[in-house]
Amino acid sequence: DARVTQTPRDKVTEMGQEVTMRCQPILGHNTVFWYRQTMMQGLELLAYFRNRAPLDDSGMPKDRFSAEMPDATLATLKIQPSEPRDSAVYFCASGLDYQPQHFGDGTRLSIL
Amino acid sequence: KNQVEQSPQSLIILEGKNCTLQCNYTVSPFSNLRWYKQDTGRGPVSLTIMTFSENTKSNGRYTATLDADTKQSSLHITASQLSDSASYICVVSDSGGGADGLTFGKGTHLIIQP
Repeated sequence: DARVTQTPRDKVTEMGQEVTMRCQPILGHNTVFWYRQTMMQGLELLAYFRNRAPLDDSGMPKDRFSAEMPDATLATLKIQPSEPRDSAVYFCASGLDYQPQHFGDGTRLSIL
Repeated sequence: KNQVEQSPQSLIILEGKNCTLQCNYTVSPFSNLRWYKQDTGRGPVSLTIMTFSENTKSNGRYTATLDADTKQSSLHITASQLSDSASYICVVSDSGGGADGLTFGKGTHLIIQP
């Protein structure tokens, strides 16, 4: 079965450090999404790409977050500098035509 | 503002029993509604997706219903198993054609007890 692969699975770091999360979407999917999940807010859209072009990143704080898709097999989400309030689970998903059909298993981020 | 409300927030039932989870939405104009199952420590997995013209769709022991007039959906689980313990998330898409047109519910946390 094709899968969305995310690395790392877990990340613990200190406030102020740079964090990079990586995602390998399913080949052939034209839309890639980044979501953040917390107990309080549930799943929130941070950014998404269609055919590798960034379409919307209004869901993330642009002064510290950046999302890129350097090629069809890799999407990245960076936080610099990280803050304790960024602690959450970050999911990448891919699909066709704006539908997140398949999610990765997430990166569990803890900022101390 | 588009909203998706799920109930109950959490539910505990005995193995073998049936249960029904609810999803009410105010998303307009409506495009489709999807139910996801999310196991602890894993990403959501799509169970069913329904468009405006569909009012029932099954996936094994899972049956989703949609009433577009009342803007309600339900997910019925038959003969529950321990592996059904998970969070179930309802997601409604509007017809705007963008990923920001998806509205997520906060989920129902289901526990199946032996």
